Amino acid sequence: DTGVSQDPRHKITKRGQNVTFRCDPISEHNRLYWYRQTLGQGPEFLTYFQNEAQLEKSRLLSDRFSAERPKGSFSTLEIQRTEQGDSAMYLCASSTGSGANVLTFGAGSRLTVL
Amino acid sequence: AQSVTQLDSQVPVFEEAPVELRCNYSSSVSVYLFWYVQYPNQGLQLLLKYLSGSTLVESINGFEAEFNKSQTSFHLRKPSVHISDTAEYFCAVSGGYQKVTFGTGTKLQVIP
Repeated sequence: DTGVSQDPRHKITKRGQNVTFRCDPISEHNRLYWYRQTLGQGPEFLTYFQNEAQLEKSRLLSDRFSAERPKGSFSTLEIQRTEQGDSAMYLCASSTGSGANVLTFGAGSRLTVL
Repeated sequence: AQSVTQLDSQVPVFEEAPVELRCNYSSSVSVYLFWYVQYPNQGLQLLLKYLSGSTLVESINGFEAEFNKSQTSFHLRKPSVHISDTAEYFCAVSGGYQKVTFGTGTKLQVIP
């Protein structure tokens, strides 16, 4: 088990471009979460999946953001028409989904929008 | 709804001195509580968790936290800090099948 993997680790893009991040969770984990972290803030919840079903999406999340987990394994987070305010660390985490919901995080994907 | 408040954004402390990082939470259901740590240039790691049972929980590197239901707190303590404890610490709450909500973090700076 290699833990939670995220790709790419760093992405620099120009405003208005689309970007996509990928997350590979721990194989036996059926829950997958996306969080966003900006400087000086804690992780902010974006969305989560139970297997392939997206169970909750933050009301703060713009409709430019979309996430998928088509086969209940890896997930992608796409940001369309990026804005400078989207610059942040995008964190993926997974859990077994039972009991206390202990999250295991990946190293994150840092997005810089110029 | 659930939320977490970390009252101190930065805590400087001398090496070998004790430290307490404060955390208060609110939740409409029974909670699970966590402390995560983020070392410089590294990802978030679970430090310790309260699920049920004893209200005092410990980590492998000498930290402990006590669940206080009446005060809705889960403060993190260590009797003697080391330089290697310099990191940012995040308190988090989960209502089980709900999402995990994090606080804004406390940066612990250990001074030699």
